[in-house]
Amino acid sequence: AQSVTQLDSQVPVFEEAPVELRCNYSSSVSVYLFWYVQYPNQGLQLLLKYLSGSTLVKGINGFEAEFNKSQTSFHLRKPSVHISDTAEYFCAVSVRLGVKTIFGAGTRLFVKA
Amino acid sequence: NAGVTQTPKFQVLKTGQSMTLQCAQDMNHNSMYWYRQDPGMGLRLIYYSASEGTTDKGEVPNGYNVSRLNKREFSLRLESAAPSQTSVYFCASSEARQGAWETQYFGPGTRLLVL
Repeated sequence: AQSVTQLDSQVPVFEEAPVELRCNYSSSVSVYLFWYVQYPNQGLQLLLKYLSGSTLVKGINGFEAEFNKSQTSFHLRKPSVHISDTAEYFCAVSVRLGVKTIFGAGTRLFVKA
Repeated sequence: NAGVTQTPKFQVLKTGQSMTLQCAQDMNHNSMYWYRQDPGMGLRLIYYSASEGTTDKGEVPNGYNVSRLNKREFSLRLESAAPSQTSVYFCASSEARQGAWETQYFGPGTRLLVL
């Protein structure tokens, strides 16, 4: 079975500072990895996904994530955050021969002025 | 192009009452999903439909039923609501029948309170 662990439930950060949101996964088979963002009172939307190839994936709004197979991690980074990045971020994993996606518990990012 | 729509947005039920949450997508997607979101637990899959005419249980199906009415619509029914079903419910859709790589598109959610 697959699982996803988001290591921080909340991350406060000042505007224009860098941020890293950590995600580790567990799976005995090859996986696809995703980061979704949820703004207040909205549904989730895709930030980026790793399917294969380059381990550094760039997404929308200046976010990027790096797939590290040996450490089974898929951390999300942004070099300079904005107030508008305040949201909840979900890491997710799907197995390659399935249709279901497993979501982590989420990390709330608070960007302070 | 509305994407994924859900009705109602909010609902308050008494224990034992029934209700149906409606979901529709206009992207011609094959797969549709129902999740519940609870604080500190992320999203948990209730049921999914990989294609029109098929449905399968997810992680937390007890107390729920679903109907894939046609390719566009996927409804979730609570036959006898319980306080443990207080949650935010999200419907999602994706393009492929067996496409674990596909992006899921989410509706705005239904906030359900069971008293």
